[in-house]
Amino acid sequence: GDSVTQMEGPVTLSEEAFLTINCTYTATGYPSLFWYVQYPGEGLQLLLKATKADDKGSNKGFEATYRKETTSFHLEKGSVQVSDSAVYFCALSDRNFGNEKLTFGTGTRLTIIP
Amino acid sequence: AAGVIQSPRHLIKEKRETATLKCYPIPRHDTVYWYQQGPGQDPQFLISFYEKMQSDKGSIPDRFSAQQFSDYHSELNMSSLELGDSALYFCASSARLGTGLMNSPLHFGNGTRLTVT
Repeated sequence: GDSVTQMEGPVTLSEEAFLTINCTYTATGYPSLFWYVQYPGEGLQLLLKATKADDKGSNKGFEATYRKETTSFHLEKGSVQVSDSAVYFCALSDRNFGNEKLTFGTGTRLTIIP
Repeated sequence: AAGVIQSPRHLIKEKRETATLKCYPIPRHDTVYWYQQGPGQDPQFLISFYEKMQSDKGSIPDRFSAQQFSDYHSELNMSSLELGDSALYFCASSARLGTGLMNSPLHFGNGTRLTVT
């Protein structure tokens, strides 16, 4: 079945550092790929997405490129801020008709130190 | 903008009791999903509904049942609660796009934290 393997955390960085969180996937067909962010005490918020190979999703300075050849969707940000501290989930959705249920990775807790 | 509303935010129950969680999707969203997130775990898909019919089923225990009503809100009913049911339960909603072959991205509520003692 579908699965997502995500870089284990926790990850601690200094403010303005470069961030990479690795994510690889296994899926049949052509999944859509997502990054969700979860702030303390809150629900999951969609950060960015890509629906086909070579698509780049971007939002709030974060970027991820759908790489079909390496089955990867690594999250990057050039300069992180304290407010980026959260748990980040990589996810994929299969393309079953009318159903976009998500398969999540295990999440990476990111802490940014001032 | 309106978001997915879940109630209650927190719920404390004893073993063997029952619990009902409610979810109100974003207006005009016709698909609802339920996820369970254990402590330090990734969210696990439980069940989904489209137009009041069950559309998919994941790792939902037989002790749990759910339904979607005519106003598209959904309820997750949990019986014979066990300690291991303590978790954050998320509801998400989406809308069919165009010809109905794809859904919009999922929008999640803030979750209901269930504690079973």
